[in-house]
Amino acid sequence: DTEVTQTPKHLVMGMTNKKSLKCEQHMGHRAMYWYKQKAKKPPELMFVYSYEKLSINESVPSRFSPECPNSSLLNLHLHALQPEDSALYLCASSQDPGGVRTTDTQYFGPGTRLTVL
Amino acid sequence: AQSVTQLDSHVSVSEGTPVLLRCNYSSSYSPSLFWYVQHPNKGLQLLLKYTSAATLVKGINGFEAEFKKSETSFHLTKPSAHMSDAAEYFCVVSDLGSDKLIFGTGTRLQVFP
Repeated sequence: DTEVTQTPKHLVMGMTNKKSLKCEQHMGHRAMYWYKQKAKKPPELMFVYSYEKLSINESVPSRFSPECPNSSLLNLHLHALQPEDSALYLCASSQDPGGVRTTDTQYFGPGTRLTVL
Repeated sequence: AQSVTQLDSHVSVSEGTPVLLRCNYSSSYSPSLFWYVQHPNKGLQLLLKYTSAATLVKGINGFEAEFKKSETSFHLTKPSAHMSDAAEYFCVVSDLGSDKLIFGTGTRLQVFP
């Protein structure tokens, strides 16, 4: 099973709201990722958690706050977002972060479509 | 520095005809190369992956890609297109041991009946 699940599928929020996106995998993967994808563009990496520790933060604004409570779960907390933050947010996971023999395959979830009003 | 160039932003084919999606890469080290497909409003699905074991890589749904180091290319092909192949395709490169994927800008494949 190579499934990554994300909830909710769709989210509409105002600029003063606080909301969270959730990502879950039960494949025993030790790396999890958040990507942002704007329409007709490739995904952009936001954060990487490796063995439940934040290993990469691609200079993402502080209104996005990631959290990795355990090896199966990844959250993205949202606060005071701007309309330009509207996008598809994708979660991914991979088995062996920083593998020495090969780059591990990342498996993607279906995404959360976020609209900020 | 790593980079990926997808040479066509749009490709249109008729159902039953061959598909060719072109990708060139630049990498300082031994690269891993991937092709992902994204159907409308969906996540990304792995089609295939190259990791230096064999230059011709077979993937899902009849797709395959050939790694050509001399040409720094990793083109995706399929002998016969199906309507369900209509989607966005991303060529991706990553250096050995890196958790970062470098995405191409994508190629939108249209399949006409």
